[in-house]
Amino acid sequence: AQSVAQPEDQVNVAEGNPLTVKCTYSVSGNPYLFWYVQYPNRGLQFLLKYITGDNLVKGSYGFEAEFNKSQTSFHLKKPSALVSDSALYFCAVRRENTGGFKTIFGAGTRLFVKA
Amino acid sequence: GAVVSQHPSWVICKSGTSVKIECRSLDFQATTMFWYRQFPKQSLMLMATSNEGSKATYEQGVEKDKFLINHASLTLSTLTVTSAHPEDSSFYICSARGERGTPGGYEQYFGPGTRLTVT
Repeated sequence: AQSVAQPEDQVNVAEGNPLTVKCTYSVSGNPYLFWYVQYPNRGLQFLLKYITGDNLVKGSYGFEAEFNKSQTSFHLKKPSALVSDSALYFCAVRRENTGGFKTIFGAGTRLFVKA
Repeated sequence: GAVVSQHPSWVICKSGTSVKIECRSLDFQATTMFWYRQFPKQSLMLMATSNEGSKATYEQGVEKDKFLINHASLTLSTLTVTSAHPEDSSFYICSARGERGTPGGYEQYFGPGTRLTVT
């Protein structure tokens, strides 16, 4: 069965420092992996995705993620955090099924960036 | 880019009444729409998947008679919470998916969510 794990409930980082939000996955076949961000009382905003190709994926707002097949990880990174990056981040895996696909979300990691 | 809207953005209703939430794909045709429920500080839980013109497929544990889903057109899906109770209070998020080769493509786009409070 496909699953996504985000081991950290919360990540704290100082503004200007690099940030990493961890994600590991379990999926049969080739994974389709995603990162989304959610601000309070808002829907999900797409950040980036990995389908195939380069292991380092660049996305919106300066975020990037590295796909590591051997470690089954897809950690989200940013070289220099901003206070405005404070939000809830979800890792997700897409599972193909009959007639389409289903997206499974991790539990989410709350990122706090302190000025 | 592809935009999904939800209406209302928030609603308060009394226990025992029904409330309808609309989800619209504004600039693409969505053959498939998804409804999620999110409890405070928790992840999104898929409630059901609906395909235009056919019955929705509900996830295990979701009462289909309580959460009525109608996907009557390629741009509109509705979720009706019937006989709402306080435990139905939650944040409901819809998502729409287009088709390959069409505007929006075979991707999933999320609405801004609807906060339902049942008193």
